[in-house]
Amino acid sequence: SQQGEEDPQALSIQEGENATMNCSYKTSINNLQWYRQNSGRGLVHLILIRSNEREKHSGRLRVTLDTSKKSSSLLITASRAADTASYFCATERTGANSKLTFGKGITLSVRP
Amino acid sequence: DTGVSQDPRHKITKRGQNVTFRCDPISEHNRLYWYRQTLGQGPEFLTYFQNEAQLEKSRLLSDRFSAERPKGSFSTLEIQRTEQGDSAMYLCASFRAGMDTEAFFGQGTRLTVV
Repeated sequence: SQQGEEDPQALSIQEGENATMNCSYKTSINNLQWYRQNSGRGLVHLILIRSNEREKHSGRLRVTLDTSKKSSSLLITASRAADTASYFCATERTGANSKLTFGKGITLSVRP
Repeated sequence: DTGVSQDPRHKITKRGQNVTFRCDPISEHNRLYWYRQTLGQGPEFLTYFQNEAQLEKSRLLSDRFSAERPKGSFSTLEIQRTEQGDSAMYLCASFRAGMDTEAFFGQGTRLTVV
């Protein structure tokens, strides 16, 4: 079963605009991670936020985590056509030997 | 290139045949995962290893699927008596030891069962 659920399922924006993607999950977690996947390729790690962190930045990426609401958001600022891809949130549940579980993903299209 | 390699990249097989995929993780990574991904879906967990020990296997995985990681290095995923529903991308990911580490994914093996 998939732990995370992303919202919206698809997002289309103009180059230069900001893109906000949301993820909700169900159980207590050690961390939440965001990954990107270009068509037909493997996934690439973008950013990891620990359960005791509330916000993290990496370049044009900003991720927030609200453990009370079991939700996270990923903000991509000043989007580029090259950001067009699928984005997935993944959670690692609390406990030892916990597996990383992915959501269904968000398809982001950035129009030039 | 993430450093995780999968072989083959593409496999077309007839229904009922057996197939085996290989994953070579980053050498110092002790955790290795297998996922399956179909079009428009996220990666679905299949199984994972810590060193050579298989710690968990998805309940969705039938007995036709088996995975090994001899000596805690490369891993193989075998599907016996393939069915059309097995057509998917099979992804391998490796992790460093410790808490809060990221996954490094291979490019995947795309399986088509005809």
